Amino acid sequence: ETGVTQSPTHLIKTRGQQVTLRCSSQSGHNTVSWYQQALGQGPQFIFQYYREEENGRGNFPPRFSGLQFPNYSSELNVNALELDDSALYLCASSPRTGARNTEAFFGQGTRLTVV
Amino acid sequence: AQSVTQLGSHVSVSEGALVLLRCNYSSSVPPYLFWYVQYPNQGLQLLLKYTSAATLVKGINGFEAEFKKSETSFHLTKPSAHMSDAAEYFCAVILSGVGNEKLTFGTGTRLTIIP
Repeated sequence: ETGVTQSPTHLIKTRGQQVTLRCSSQSGHNTVSWYQQALGQGPQFIFQYYREEENGRGNFPPRFSGLQFPNYSSELNVNALELDDSALYLCASSPRTGARNTEAFFGQGTRLTVV
Repeated sequence: AQSVTQLGSHVSVSEGALVLLRCNYSSSVPPYLFWYVQYPNQGLQLLLKYTSAATLVKGINGFEAEFKKSETSFHLTKPSAHMSDAAEYFCAVILSGVGNEKLTFGTGTRLTIIP
């Protein structure tokens, strides 16, 4: 059973550019969530995808968008990058059981630096 | 609304001493609570979770936590610290009732083990 994998592991972008981060969910998991973790902070929920549709969104502007594909992998896209977007971006997958105690499995994250 | 508060952004204990990391929650509905650990440059790994079954929850690596409704607490403990326990620890709660299992994290506690 493969775990959650994210790519790339590190990325440097210039302010104003666009970036795409990728996540492969764990086998059998149909739900993917994205989190932003700024330095010294806890992860903040960006949004969640379930069966290719957005299923909840945190307090992030529209320039943060996402996709989920039929194989349940996912992308996070950020347009018009700002310096404050520099953070560790974490993807988590889980099986949708309808229970709130479902464990989310996290990838190792993508470290994005905006200069 | 619900949130978690972690008291103490940094905790240092001697190897072999008791580890106590504090977490208090606020929630308008019965919470589902989690403790995650994050090693440097890594994603998050689940230590344990409270799912309203038993109030004393045992997790991996010798950690346990006790849910105390009267104190709205879910403190993490380990009887004897090991050098490998040095990491960042996050308490988290799940939002209920809207169909997505969004995790709301505390700001984290960095645990240092003194040889």
